[in-house]
Parts: sequence; C-alpha cells; structure tokens
Amino acid sequence: QQQVKQSPQSLIVQKGGISIINCAYENTAFDYFPWYQQFPGKGPALLIAIRPDVSEKKEGRFTISFNKSAKQFSLHIMDSQPGDSATYFCAASDYKLSFGAGTTVTVRA
Amino acid sequence: NAGVTQTPKFQVLKTGQSMTLQCAQDMNHEYMSWYRQDPGMGLRLIHYSVGAGITDQGEVPNGYNVSRSTTEDFPLRLLSAAPSQTSVYFCASSQGRVGSYNSPLHFGNGTRLTVT
Repeated sequence: QQQVKQSPQSLIVQKGGISIINCAYENTAFDYFPWYQQFPGKGPALLIAIRPDVSEKKEGRFTISFNKSAKQFSLHIMDSQPGDSATYFCAASDYKLSFGAGTTVTVRA
Repeated sequence: NAGVTQTPKFQVLKTGQSMTLQCAQDMNHEYMSWYRQDPGMGLRLIHYSVGAGITDQGEVPNGYNVSRSTTEDFPLRLLSAAPSQTSVYFCASSQGRVGSYNSPLHFGNGTRLTVT
C-alpha cells in the first residue's frame, strides 16, 4: 500500500487562484518531505522540500505547510499561473523516497 | 551536463520478449534507482543501487533485474515482458542518501513501454 496518501487526484483553478494539495503519512521515521513537479513527457523535478522540524517553507509562490502531530503536509500554489499546469507529487523519505499518487493541476487562463 | 539520460524513449514489446532499458548519469552520483509510473499509483520503486556493485529491491521488483558495474550506468532488464509491465519507467539518481535534504533526486525523461 502507498505510504503517502495524496489528494485530490486532480484540480482545476482559475488564473490567479490558490491551488492546495494535501498529503498524509503514517511512518514517523520519515524525515524529509519533498514535492516534485512533472510536465507532460518529462521526468519529475524537485520543486520544494521541508524537514519535519519546520512548520512552513515558502519559495516564491509555492509554500509547504507541515503538521507533524497530524502527520500531514500540504502544498499551496499562490497566484496560480497557466505555466503551473502540471502533475505534482508529494513524497516522504526515511532512507528511500515514497511518493504519493500525484495531483494533476490545470490552471485556466 | 546531460544529467540522467534514458534510452529508448518509446518501446513496444510482445509478451515474453526481453529487453534492457538503459540509464546513464554524468553527475558522479552514488545512488541510482528505477521507478515505474502508472495512473493513480504515483511512482513506485523497482530497484535501487547505493554504489557500483550494490543493488537492492524496491517495492515492485518482480519481473525486473538490475546490475551496477559502473557508477554511471544502471540498466533495467525485463526478463519476459508481460502486459502488466506496460508503464512509464523513470531512472533517477542522487549524490548522497536518497531523499536527504541536500541530495535531491534527479530524474531522466522516461521510457514509455507498451507490452502487447
């Protein structure tokens, strides 16, 4: 079974809106939580990552929120742009990376 | 730098055929891995290697073999292809412990395999 549960499977947002993707995990040994972005026909690429001793990390329009007690973390895409249309994967690592199922984000102009 | 290079980009096999998916990286990374990507399943780890001569199984290893004779190359072999192996395969590498904060995973652009 998947060690990282990701939702929603897909979402559509208007340009300028906020996209929110949620992930949950059970393994308390996970100590690294990255998000990967994948465009069609390409491999995933690291977008942003967080360690469990930090509750929030922001890079430009992308923010990870992390709730250690709830074992949940989320990606917020602020001011969403058509170029953000992609599939996003959350992941968690102890000594191997386990990925969520992915969320396809479509930003409508 | 080319990064992680995968060949071929596309492949069609008949059930029972064998083939090798090639992966090469030019970043001198110690860790290399193979994932398969299926709709609704995310990326699942097939096999990985922490250095030349060392390989180990991931979560879905059945039907696949790997070897790591050099730091640069990590081929994935399908011994007897089955329709269930229809998927997109990604090779990835990282410098240190996989998934550590200072050692992100770098992916190739994938091989799309269809088994009929």
